[in-house]
Amino acid sequence: DAGVIQSPRHEVTEMGQEVTLRCKPISGHNSLFWYRQTMMRGLELLIYFNNNVPIDDSGMPEDRFSAKMPNASFSTLKIQPSEPRDSAVYFCASSIGQYYGYTFGSGTRLTVV
Amino acid sequence: DQQVKQNSPSLSVQEGRISILNCDYTNSMFDYFLWYKKYPAEGPTFLISISSIKDKNEDGRFTVFLNKSAKHLSLHIVPSQPGDSAVYFCAARNQGGKLIFGQGTELSVKP
Repeated sequence: DAGVIQSPRHEVTEMGQEVTLRCKPISGHNSLFWYRQTMMRGLELLIYFNNNVPIDDSGMPEDRFSAKMPNASFSTLKIQPSEPRDSAVYFCASSIGQYYGYTFGSGTRLTVV
Repeated sequence: DQQVKQNSPSLSVQEGRISILNCDYTNSMFDYFLWYKKYPAEGPTFLISISSIKDKNEDGRFTVFLNKSAKHLSLHIVPSQPGDSAVYFCAARNQGGKLIFGQGTELSVKP
């Protein structure tokens, strides 16, 4: 089992550009979560999916953020246009159901300059 | 409206001594509490959890204590080892099943 796979590991982009982060959950896990880690707020839940359906996107900071899960093995988080304050580490996690057994990916470190 | 707070951003402890990491929460409806450990350049990994109906859970060197009346939980690591140096996140599960995380505490265990 390869675990939760995120790509890219690092992304540096200029302000105003579109950024797409990718996540492959663990096979068989039916819940997927996107978190953002910042110094001030720790790990913030942005959105989560259950059986590929977005359940709660109340944590998505602005309309510039969008997330999709077209199938059980793939999800994307898109920021368009990106801003310097979006710089953070973005984690994807998956689990069986919405329980505590979350497995996190290694994260994508995003830097917007 | 930070529902889960870790007020100490960092903690330094001597090897062999006890490490105590603290966490406060505001929502009395949280039903499960967890601690995650995170090394640099890696994702958080589950460490230990406790149900809201219990006040203590122990796993080897790690013990989590829950004080519901004070809305406080703590993680004790004894004895602390240099390999325990990491960022520790406290998390609480709400009625919708979501995990709400704190800001994290960076533990440094010095030899």
